[in-house]
Amino acid sequence: AQRVTQPEKLLSVFKGAPVELKCNYSYSGSPELFWYVQYSRQRLQLLLRHISRESIKGFTADLNKGETSFHLKKPFAQEEDSAMYYCALRSGGSNYKLTFGKGTLLTVNP
Amino acid sequence: GAGVSQSPSNKVTEKGKDVELRCDPISGHTALYWYRQSLGQGLEFLIYFQGNSAPDKSGLPSDRFSAERTGGSVSTLTIQRTQQEDSAVYLCASSLGQGVGSPLHFGNGTRLTVT
Repeated sequence: AQRVTQPEKLLSVFKGAPVELKCNYSYSGSPELFWYVQYSRQRLQLLLRHISRESIKGFTADLNKGETSFHLKKPFAQEEDSAMYYCALRSGGSNYKLTFGKGTLLTVNP
Repeated sequence: GAGVSQSPSNKVTEKGKDVELRCDPISGHTALYWYRQSLGQGLEFLIYFQGNSAPDKSGLPSDRFSAERTGGSVSTLTIQRTQQEDSAVYLCASSLGQGVGSPLHFGNGTRLTVT
């Protein structure tokens, strides 16, 4: 069975500090990994996905198959990054179901 | 060009009543999902529709929950004899298809409160 673990429910940093939101997964095959973000009073939206190897809003995430991790990082946090972040896994190929972690609430203090 | 639309945005109901939650996916999206978002529990998969295929109902928590999708577009999630533990935000999402390159687009959700 596939599982996504986000060990931190809450994460608080100061503006300008580096931030890392942890995500570990359990899946034996080749997964697709995603980060979704939900800002206050907004809908859940895709932030980035590992297949694109992109940087969105200064965030990056590298899939580490050896450690089964997909941590989200940003070198200099901004107050507008405050939001709920969800890591999600899809088991690849034609599979459709996204399995989400329980989320990490990031607060960036001024 | 609108996104996924859900109604009502808020629903308060008494324990034991039935409720219907509606989802209008993005036009042209063949895949439709229902998730439940509870405090501290993250997003829990409920049900998935893809085109004319039989839906995947494996996430429905009990037989009080059911969903249908008419004409491959609008979907309704029905909860019968609601219980207090059903209180949550119910999210609908749609995507162009399945697999690589098909991210989910979420609605704003319906906040259900069972008193």
